[in-house]
Amino acid sequence: DTAVSQTPKYLVTQMGNDKSIKCEQNLGHDTMYWYKQDSKKFLKIMFSYNNKELIINETVPNRFSPKSPDKAHLNLHINSLELGDSAVYFCASSQDHGTSGFQETQYFGPGTRLLVL
Amino acid sequence: KQEVTQIPAALSVPEGENLVLNCSFTDSAIYNLQWFRQDPGKGLTSLLLIQSSQREQTSGRLNASLDKSSGRSTLYIAASQPGDSATYLCAAPGGTSYGKLTFGQGTILTVHP
Repeated sequence: DTAVSQTPKYLVTQMGNDKSIKCEQNLGHDTMYWYKQDSKKFLKIMFSYNNKELIINETVPNRFSPKSPDKAHLNLHINSLELGDSAVYFCASSQDHGTSGFQETQYFGPGTRLLVL
Repeated sequence: KQEVTQIPAALSVPEGENLVLNCSFTDSAIYNLQWFRQDPGKGLTSLLLIQSSQREQTSGRLNASLDKSSGRSTLYIAASQPGDSATYLCAAPGGTSYGKLTFGQGTILTVHP
């Protein structure tokens, strides 16, 4: 009964390829997020969706495109992969994104380790 | 723009010690602050979320405090155990995007038997 799941867990691919990472949460949360953790373990937000609507879009190359078919799923598609895209990508979810001023706890998935060769 | 700093970057202690991890943030207009734990090769586990209206939040041997005026939070771990060894991350929201968490670099904790 995994709360936030990601597939695949590991992804090794060549430069220039296009790949997707999938995320699903069974917590009934309204908000989902994508984070990137680089080789120095620094964790930074990329995107956030609330009820399928994009609410956070950080300065990320437009090769990265999130898609939320429903509020339980948030997928990340990456075009023309580059060496610098190698990182661990984490999906997370929360009950809401704090419109009332009280942000809910974020629950993280296990991560997808992407290696671009 | 929110910036979060954690001190120390690494900490190694013998089992049984009480220890304090520090977190500072630049934008004090926060509504809460979260502490997470990350084990090697794993995702993040939420430990505590402390609201701005609270000064402390406790869960078992963990106690987190929040002082908005000084831009600081501390995570206190009592009677440390080898199983506490992990990276501890502090995260604060910033700006008008309440869901946007800014993370510190983390404190790598090693507890020796």
